[in-house]
Amino acid sequence: AQSVAQPEDQVNVAEGNPLTVKCTYSVSGNPYLFWYVQYPNRGLQFLLKYITGDNLVKGSYGFEAEFNKSQTSFHLKKPSALVSDSALYFCAVRDPFSGNTPLVFGKGTRLSVIA
Amino acid sequence: DAGVTQSPTHLIKTRGQQVTLRCSPKSGHDTVSWYQQALGQGPQFIFQYYEEEERQRGNFPDRFSGHQFPNYSSELNVNALWLGDSALYLCASSSGQPTDTQYFGPGTRLTVL
Repeated sequence: AQSVAQPEDQVNVAEGNPLTVKCTYSVSGNPYLFWYVQYPNRGLQFLLKYITGDNLVKGSYGFEAEFNKSQTSFHLKKPSALVSDSALYFCAVRDPFSGNTPLVFGKGTRLSVIA
Repeated sequence: DAGVTQSPTHLIKTRGQQVTLRCSPKSGHDTVSWYQQALGQGPQFIFQYYEEEERQRGNFPDRFSGHQFPNYSSELNVNALWLGDSALYLCASSSGQPTDTQYFGPGTRLTVL
């Protein structure tokens, strides 16, 4: 069965510093991987996805993520954090060999960017 | 272009009651998925509708049921509510392909007292 782990419940970073939010996955074959962001009392907003091809994926709001097959990881990164990036971040996976399966989400990582 | 919309925004019910939540998908999308997000947790898949049929179902009891209409909008019904059903209910729409992005609505916050 497919699964996602986000090992950090909370990440704190100073404004202007680079940020990383970690995600590891477990799925048979090559996964489809997604990052979403959730602001308070809001739904999930799509940031980026990896389907195939270049391991470095660029997304919305300056975010990027690197797919690493050997480490089964898909960490979210941003070179310079903004206070407005403070939110809850979810990594999700879908197994492409199991048909049109739903997304399986991690428990989320709360990012706090301190001015 | 309107995104995914959900109604109502908030809902308060008492134990034993039933509730209906509604979702309109993003224009051009024909597949609707429902998720339950409990406080402090990631979204959990309830079920997915395509061509007015339930295509997949997660590990939720039969108290959770749904429907999809010819215009692709969808309803989630929950019967015999209990306290544990209190959560944010999210609707997501897509074109149904495995590579497609699911776009989420703002959610309905259900509180069961």
